[in-house]
Amino acid sequence: QQQVKQSPQSLIVQKGGIPIINCAYENTAFDYFPWYQQFPGKGPALLIAIRPDVSEKKEGRFTISFNKSAKQFSLHIMDSQPGDSATYFCAGSGSSNTGKLIFGQGTTLQVKP
Amino acid sequence: DTAVSQTPKYLVTQMGNDKSIKCEQNLGHDTMYWYKQDSKKFLKIMFSYNNKELIINETVPNRFSPKSPDKAHLNLHINSLELGDSAVYFCASRDGGLGEQYFGPGTRLTVT
Repeated sequence: QQQVKQSPQSLIVQKGGIPIINCAYENTAFDYFPWYQQFPGKGPALLIAIRPDVSEKKEGRFTISFNKSAKQFSLHIMDSQPGDSATYFCAGSGSSNTGKLIFGQGTTLQVKP
Repeated sequence: DTAVSQTPKYLVTQMGNDKSIKCEQNLGHDTMYWYKQDSKKFLKIMFSYNNKELIINETVPNRFSPKSPDKAHLNLHINSLELGDSAVYFCASRDGGLGEQYFGPGTRLTVT
C-alpha cells in the first residue's frame, strides 16, 4: 500500500516536445505529491508539488495533472529543452508529522537538441 | 552557502570496515533524513530525526545507526560494511508539515 509506481523508466524526446511521466499510488492517505528533479552527481531538488484538492498545477513549463479517483498523477514538460535532461521522481506523502516521502522508481529523460 | 552539506563526497572502503557519513544543514530546519539511492536510482527513506528525536526508522539492518547531536547535524554510522551497502546516500532536511525537502549532494559509498 505504500508503493508509488512510475512510468516510463526512460524517455527520449526532441527539443520542443512534451514529455509526460506518469505515476500511480495506492495509499489513499497520501495528500501531498511532489516531483523532484535530479541531475547527474547532484541531489534531488523539488520541481513542483500538488495536493489532491486541485486537479492541475502549473509552474512555468511544468504542469502536474492529478486524478484523485484513479489515484494517478502525471508531469508534463512543455517546450522541453536539452537542459531538462535529468531524472525525475514522483513521490507521495501522507504524514505531515514526519514528512515521509515514498518515491517512484524514477524516469530518465533525455531531450535531444 | 551550502544549505545541506555532506562529507565525504566519495567513500571507498573494504568489506567489514566501519565508516561514518556526516551531514549538516544551515537552514534552521527541525527535521533531517537519510536516504539510500541504489544503482537503479531508486530512492528509499532510511531514517529521520526531528529535533534530535528519531521519528522514522525503516527496515534497515542494525549495522546502520544514525546519530543527531543537534538539530543541524545528522550522521550515519555503518558497521561491518557489506558489498550491498554500495550506494549513494543522501541527507535531506525539511522545515515542517508537508514541505519541501532539501537534499544534500550525496555521498557515494563503494564497498570492495
